[in-house]
Amino acid sequence: GAVVSQHPSWVICKSGTSVKIECRSLDFQATTMFWYRQFPKQSLMLMATSNEGSKATYEQGVEKDKFLINHASLTLSTLTVTSAHPEDSSFYICSARDGTGPRGNEQFFGPGTRLTVL
Amino acid sequence: AQSVSQHNHHVILSEAASLELGCNYSYGGTVNLFWYVQYPGQHLQLLLKYFSGDPLVKGIKGFEAEFIKSKFSFNLRKPSVQWSDTAEYFCAVTGGGYNKLIFGAGTRLAVHP
Repeated sequence: GAVVSQHPSWVICKSGTSVKIECRSLDFQATTMFWYRQFPKQSLMLMATSNEGSKATYEQGVEKDKFLINHASLTLSTLTVTSAHPEDSSFYICSARDGTGPRGNEQFFGPGTRLTVL
Repeated sequence: AQSVSQHNHHVILSEAASLELGCNYSYGGTVNLFWYVQYPGQHLQLLLKYFSGDPLVKGIKGFEAEFIKSKFSFNLRKPSVQWSDTAEYFCAVTGGGYNKLIFGAGTRLAVHP
């Protein structure tokens, strides 16, 4: 149980285009989903927290107009990188939190999406 | 603000050696503590977690960690490592009831046969 998927697993796009990344909780309802960014050989940096049906909360320094997050259902959150530039190239990881029961405080991570902007 | 420090960025061990990875956090209240592992090319997996109770926590694959409140530490240990333990290890903390996971910088472990 507690499987989180991401799609696509990797994407290459041209500078100036927008890219959408999906995060799905496959066997549980995720009241909260998180989006992280991981640069090569560095740790995960939280970008934003999204609760189903409400606006995402962005961390300081993260441009909300550039990284659009939608958490439309209890099993799906999307991250759209708008007008992508080479500096947006990174590994994007989502996690999902059940919020209930004995594992309510635990986050389950997706496999990540590697974005390369040319 | 919460922060997590992992003292060792790179660790190289031979098989059967003992492992201890340091993790210190800064947060004044109740904390939940985690160790995650990221094998090459794979996603983050939870090794173990501490919420409350016995400060010595046992996780998967023979790993354990000890929460020492007075030292704000949550060090990860394994008595005898294997080549398959080669991975990156992340310590993380979240305040009690607080959503955000704050990660340490990670420790890259290489185990040689």
